[in-house]
Amino acid sequence: DAKTTQPTSMDCAEGRAANLPCNHSTISGNEYVYWYRQIHSQGPQYIIHGLKNNETNEMASLIITEDRKSSTLILPHATLRDTAVYYCIVRVYSGNTPLVFGKGTRLSVIA
Amino acid sequence: DTAVSQTPKYLVTQMGNDKSIKCEQNLGHDTMYWYKQDSKKFLKIMFSYNNKELIINETVPNRFSPKSPDKAHLNLHINSLELGDSAVYFCASSQTKLAGGSYNEQFFGPGTRLTVL
Repeated sequence: DAKTTQPTSMDCAEGRAANLPCNHSTISGNEYVYWYRQIHSQGPQYIIHGLKNNETNEMASLIITEDRKSSTLILPHATLRDTAVYYCIVRVYSGNTPLVFGKGTRLSVIA
Repeated sequence: DTAVSQTPKYLVTQMGNDKSIKCEQNLGHDTMYWYKQDSKKFLKIMFSYNNKELIINETVPNRFSPKSPDKAHLNLHINSLELGDSAVYFCASSQTKLAGGSYNEQFFGPGTRLTVL
């Protein structure tokens, strides 16, 4: 799977939008961008995924650049419960491909 | 209704012992996984099973033996436990392909924190 690069940590004020960037410059045409998060001591939780179009669900929005070399996860109104490590993962379109986790971004939402 | 459950949640044992961790999913998925998260918080795949068949076995010592009695269960047995086995072990499941060609994400269990003394 392609490698991703994320900032080690970020802070965000409660109620503001959290924008988490991810670089995946070696992404292949058949690879999707996935985002998971891990709240302290819990199992990772799926957030969103996309191929090339922007995606939105009840948790977040995913913006993928036109060249697909980078993306941004947006949490529109961050809450304290959004404090977690966020992982950007690039993987092929397959239902049973394991996830390859990097170091992720530790997002701290501050009151 | 817990989607992916693991037992036990905590496991403290002595070096050299043999222990098992159990995982069950009630999502009807056909693929299950074991991941290991070490003290530096790196999450890494260990095994994956599809329809009870082993499909991925990363470079894990053969002291670790996964067993899948049916599609809903994937257990992890560890022989001769070592200090370096101390970690959090996560079970996960997913469905290979859903109707319409889409597929869903992996669902993770709450983890089992193994401490080897």
